[in-house]
Amino acid sequence: QKEVEQNSGPLSVPEGAIASLNCTYSDRGSQSFFWYRQYSGKSPELIMSIYSNGDKEDGRFTAQLNKASQYVSLLIRDSQPSDSATYLCAVNGAGSYQLTFGKGTKLSVIP
Amino acid sequence: NAGVTQTPKFQVLKTGQSMTLQCAQDMNHNSMYWYRQDPGMGLRLIYYSASEGTTDKGEVPNGYNVSRLNKREFSLRLESAAPSQTSVYFCASRNYRVGGTDTQYFGPGTRLTVL
Repeated sequence: QKEVEQNSGPLSVPEGAIASLNCTYSDRGSQSFFWYRQYSGKSPELIMSIYSNGDKEDGRFTAQLNKASQYVSLLIRDSQPSDSATYLCAVNGAGSYQLTFGKGTKLSVIP
Repeated sequence: NAGVTQTPKFQVLKTGQSMTLQCAQDMNHNSMYWYRQDPGMGLRLIYYSASEGTTDKGEVPNGYNVSRLNKREFSLRLESAAPSQTSVYFCASRNYRVGGTDTQYFGPGTRLTVL
């Protein structure tokens, strides 16, 4: 059974701080890793994808992948109240057509 | 370019009624998916279609059927709705090539209540 684990939160950070969201996965063969943002009552929105070890930056977002530790994280710099949402981690196993999603971490950015 | 569209947005059914949820994508993606999302349960895969002409069961297929009508359209049918099928249903499409890029986008969702 492939598993993706996330702290459910809520994670509260003050406006302007760095929010750090973490995710671990069980399938060592996983090859693609994604972060989705989901506002309450809305559908998940893809914000980052990462395929190789290291960091990938896109604006205020940085995804970090460590395949040896089976760990992927998302850093949000200069957090804004508009970043308040649930963040879903998703992982694709080798050759699989199915993404496995974590249950999400709820982030609250306090003004 | 609308991305992934779903109809209807909301639906209320009585136990035992049937209905079909429609999904279409205009991104020329090969793969399409149906998920349900319930509080505390996260996103659970119902069925998926890796490519036109194929469909496969996901984690929670019981009580559902799917049809991949063509490359653009993937429908989900509830033959005899039950209160346990009250949920939010998301369709997604994915551009996935083994060893290549991989992106999956979601539609806006259908909120279904079964009384």
